[in-house]
Amino acid sequence: AQTVTQSQPEMSVQEAETVTLSCTYDTSENNYYLFWYKQPPSRQMILVIRQEAYKQQNATENRFSVNFQKAAKSFSLKISDSQLGDTAMYFCAFMKQRRNQGGSEKLVFGKGTKLTVNP
Amino acid sequence: NAGVTQTPKFQVLKTGQSMTLQCAQDMNHEYMSWYRQDPGMGLRLIHYSVGAGITDQGEVPNGYNVSRSTTEDFPLRLLSAAPSQTSVYFCASRPYNSPLHFGNGTRLTVT
Repeated sequence: AQTVTQSQPEMSVQEAETVTLSCTYDTSENNYYLFWYKQPPSRQMILVIRQEAYKQQNATENRFSVNFQKAAKSFSLKISDSQLGDTAMYFCAFMKQRRNQGGSEKLVFGKGTKLTVNP
Repeated sequence: NAGVTQTPKFQVLKTGQSMTLQCAQDMNHEYMSWYRQDPGMGLRLIHYSVGAGITDQGEVPNGYNVSRSTTEDFPLRLLSAAPSQTSVYFCASRPYNSPLHFGNGTRLTVT
């Protein structure tokens, strides 16, 4: 079974600085997806960024980027120019890639990192 | 499109009561699922469905039932509520090989 580990339960950063959240995972699969979700105090689950394992290039979305190290099974999230609105729980998640439509692949989540951006 | 709609947003139950959490999606997603979120535990899968008429258990299914009579709806039933079921519940759906779309969650308290 796949497992996802987020080793930092809480982190804080000053506004405008850069912060990196860590995520490691364990799998014997070669084809899969990795995700970062953000959960602000409103409780919404918001997709931040997505990485396909077959792509060597790291995904980026504006101020959010990942460092995907497939051999090391590491998938860290870097937030640049942190803003107060980035304060949230961040969850790393893993999903196997299925070749055929109708797959039952489940998203497996880490326990989350609570990020606080300080003014 | 409304996306994934969950009702109610909040619910308080007494031990032993039963209730149904409703979930509906209008995106024609085949895959739907229920998670519970507890402090320090992340999100854990309760039940999931890959299409109408097909359901299966996730990581923590005990005390919960689901059914999937239509593509749109995936209700979660608590048969006899227990304090251990106090949690935030999320319904989510997704298309093939894509990320989950989440509802806004239901905060359930069992006293």
